Amino acid sequence: AQKVTQAQTEISVVEKEDVTLDCVYETRDTTYYLFWYKQPPSGELVFLIRRNSFDEQNEISGRYSWNFQKSTSSFNFTITASQVVDSAVYFCALSEWGPYGGSQGNLIFGKGTKLSVKP
Amino acid sequence: DTGVSQNPRHKITKRGQNVTFRCDPISEHNRLYWYRQTLGQGPEFLTYFQNEAQLEKSRLLSDRFSAERPKGSFSTLEIQRTEQGDSAMYLCASSSADRQDEQYFGPGTRLTVT
Repeated sequence: AQKVTQAQTEISVVEKEDVTLDCVYETRDTTYYLFWYKQPPSGELVFLIRRNSFDEQNEISGRYSWNFQKSTSSFNFTITASQVVDSAVYFCALSEWGPYGGSQGNLIFGKGTKLSVKP
Repeated sequence: DTGVSQNPRHKITKRGQNVTFRCDPISEHNRLYWYRQTLGQGPEFLTYFQNEAQLEKSRLLSDRFSAERPKGSFSTLEIQRTEQGDSAMYLCASSSADRQDEQYFGPGTRLTVT
């Protein structure tokens, strides 16, 4: 069965602190994709990153970085020097390889972690 | 390039009524997805299309739900005989042929069934 667990329901930090959002996934497939999305108070989900199961390299994009570890089935997301604009709900998601090529189509989301960054 | 658009943004209806939502994907995106999100939860997959073909449907999509994408462009999601449990945000997403796994979401349609 496929499952994504985001154990942290809410996190509150003060601006400029670093914060890590945890994501643990379960899948029986050897080929899959992992994602992070941001949902700000306005409600629209914003795509942040995609990682496929063959690529365990960590990635950095500005203040954002992602740590993918297949050995622990984790795909954690770190925001360095957090800002008030980072306040949002962050979702981790999983997609398996489908019969039509590429992602199966259905993203399986975790329940999200609400991040509040206070000035 | 405009993003995914959805109409209406809000819909209030009485139990038992039928409702229809529309989604316009990013132009040239051949895949279109529908999800449902309730308060405090992540989005749950409902169905998706590749061009006109509906390739997958979730068990969440009961017989009262039907989705179409007749010309491979916009899509509609209809809920018949609405129930209070249908109250949720209905999200649409689209992706391109060369990056199928990167789904871009619209703002959603919030449905309230009274």
